[in-house]
Amino acid sequence: AQSVTQLGSHVSVSEGALVLLRCNYSSSVPPYLFWYVQYPNQGLQLLLKYTTGATLVKGINGFEAEFKKSETSFHLTKPSAHMSDAAEYFCAVSEAPDWANDYKLSFGAGTTVTVRA
Amino acid sequence: DTGVSQDPRHKITKRGQNVTFRCDPISEHNRLYWYRQTLGQGPEFLTYFQNEAQLEKSRLLSDRFSAERPKGSFSTLEIQRTEQGDSAMYLCASSFDRYTEAFFGQGTRLTVV
Repeated sequence: AQSVTQLGSHVSVSEGALVLLRCNYSSSVPPYLFWYVQYPNQGLQLLLKYTTGATLVKGINGFEAEFKKSETSFHLTKPSAHMSDAAEYFCAVSEAPDWANDYKLSFGAGTTVTVRA
Repeated sequence: DTGVSQDPRHKITKRGQNVTFRCDPISEHNRLYWYRQTLGQGPEFLTYFQNEAQLEKSRLLSDRFSAERPKGSFSTLEIQRTEQGDSAMYLCASSFDRYTEAFFGQGTRLTVV
């Protein structure tokens, strides 16, 4: 079984400042990790994902995340916030799919990002 | 556009009524997932299909809920005798197979009054 904890339900940053969203997970098997963004009344859009290989993952819109197994973390960062980054962000974990496991996502509760001009 | 399509986008219903939602996955995607998202929470897994076979149902899916994917293409999610607690965003997602990530639709927002 997997679970996700997102630290901080709301984050407010100034335009141009660093965005840091924290995500910790628990999983009994090697995880696949994801960050999704959701704009009001919209579905989820994949920002980036970690499956295997390089632990620093780059995604769309200038976001990146680093998988740290020792810390069971997958924090999301963006060096310089833009007004268009205002949205809700979800971290999710899935068991790595194989013959026994499947690609089902367990989501965190989400972090709402507001960007101040 | 070849994304996941959900209909309707919004539904308001009176308590006790039945509602049905439709999801059209991306063409040739064999897997189809349903999630529910309540206000202030992340999505929660409800059920999923491999072609027309329903492979797993979450304990969140009470007897009032039923999902089908009769021809392995579109899927429907029906809620009978709706309750106020059913008010949520219902999200559909599809993937090509078990090894690839899912793409989400824009969701159906249900309000039970």
